[in-house]
Amino acid sequence: SAVISQKPSRDICQRGTSLTIQCQVDSQVTMMFWYRQQPGQSLTLIATANQGSEATYESGFVIDKFPISRPNLTFSTLTVSNMSPEDSSIYLCSGSWGGRNTEAFFGQGTRLTVV
Amino acid sequence: ILNVEQSPQSLHVQEGDSTNFTCSFPSSNFYALHWYRWETAKSPEALFVMTLNGDEKKKGRISATLNTKEGYSYLYIKGSQPEDSATYLCAFQAGGTSYGKLTFGQGTILTVHP
Repeated sequence: SAVISQKPSRDICQRGTSLTIQCQVDSQVTMMFWYRQQPGQSLTLIATANQGSEATYESGFVIDKFPISRPNLTFSTLTVSNMSPEDSSIYLCSGSWGGRNTEAFFGQGTRLTVV
Repeated sequence: ILNVEQSPQSLHVQEGDSTNFTCSFPSSNFYALHWYRWETAKSPEALFVMTLNGDEKKKGRISATLNTKEGYSYLYIKGSQPEDSATYLCAFQAGGTSYGKLTFGQGTILTVHP
């Protein structure tokens, strides 16, 4: 697998502000994804980050709230915009080379608290 | 909406105990079933990726089985150690246009007491 460096590891933000989370992979990776884990909930897929084009969002998530960039095969960012306390979660980026027997690999997560 | 469920939600065992967790998932459009181990402030670590009905995989003291026809997988830990304390996640990978995406269960939080 590859190694993903995710930052920041944690942050406390004021409501109404935005935070950008970065993930750097140590090798080129086919697929990248962004997940969220709200308190007491499962890890939930936000979107698939597509290299050089707009991300593909899951139901319930929109680009205006969670803009995502992926300029190349090793880097992606997720912005949490106009934050509210409901956005307090762990955000996790993930990579995969695809294939049926291929495990996913993950960043260390960003623990976000919105006050 | 895919439904992946894990039980129990949490488990406290004594060092040396053996334990097991369950993951249930849809039996249709199955592509793969993943198990991950997630310690606080660390990246989730892959344990197994299972694809075939009847698969059994083992890594050290940890093993897993898969039944795709009835939609469940078991994870076993033999002789639990305090360092096994973590959240264990299973994730369902569907085929077709869902390629690459994972649907996670809520996880089982394991605490092993010395």
